[in-house]
Amino acid sequence: QVQLVESGGGVVQPGRSLRLSCAASGFSFFNYGMHWVRQAPGKGLEWVAVMFYDGSRQYYADSVKGRFTISRDNSKNTLYLQMNSLRAEDTAVYYCARDESSIYFDYWGQGTLVTVSS
Amino acid sequence: EIVLTQSPDTLSLSPGERATLSCRASQSVRSSYLAWYQQKPGQAPRLLIYGASSRATGIPDRFSGSGSGTDFTLTISRLEPEDSAVYYCQQYVSSPKYTFGQGTKLEIK
Repeated sequence: QVQLVESGGGVVQPGRSLRLSCAASGFSFFNYGMHWVRQAPGKGLEWVAVMFYDGSRQYYADSVKGRFTISRDNSKNTLYLQMNSLRAEDTAVYYCARDESSIYFDYWGQGTLVTVSS
Repeated sequence: EIVLTQSPDTLSLSPGERATLSCRASQSVRSSYLAWYQQKPGQAPRLLIYGASSRATGIPDRFSGSGSGTDFTLTISRLEPEDSAVYYCQQYVSSPKYTFGQGTKLEIK
């Protein structure tokens, strides 16, 4: 069965960096695009970034462009999110999600909490 | 930018009743680009409906989606206590970008 397991969250000071990981199993990771979606405490869902299956294309929400970098290692079945210059408003649970048809998200991980606070 | 607005914000119904959740787009959206998700407290979202009306794998037929253009609906017939959750609509926009509605909280009395 499809499994997505995020890790790397924690408490970080404003302006610092953090890298999240998402370990995938149960499907052919190299065949799928992968997303990061976040949810601030008590708020709704916000798409963050996508990297398509071969890693050749990645796209970002305006709110994180230039600060966050999505990447993947198909040999390790792992998706990453490098987050630099973190701000308080980046505080959220970060989910990785599998892409389907470049349109929607068919499987989600359980999420990892990132708290940006001094 | 196309904005998705969901209504109502909160819906409180009894078991066995029918729930009708609305998602309205500020501009026309291709039906194939509209999805619905369910999120229970403390859990990740789960895909319910894609392409506006197709049920995802394992989703009971009590859940149905409909609509086109700017107005889309998620209907849950014969409500069960486990249907208590927040429901989100989501659209794909070319670029690509993806946006969500603000969510409708469904409470089962």
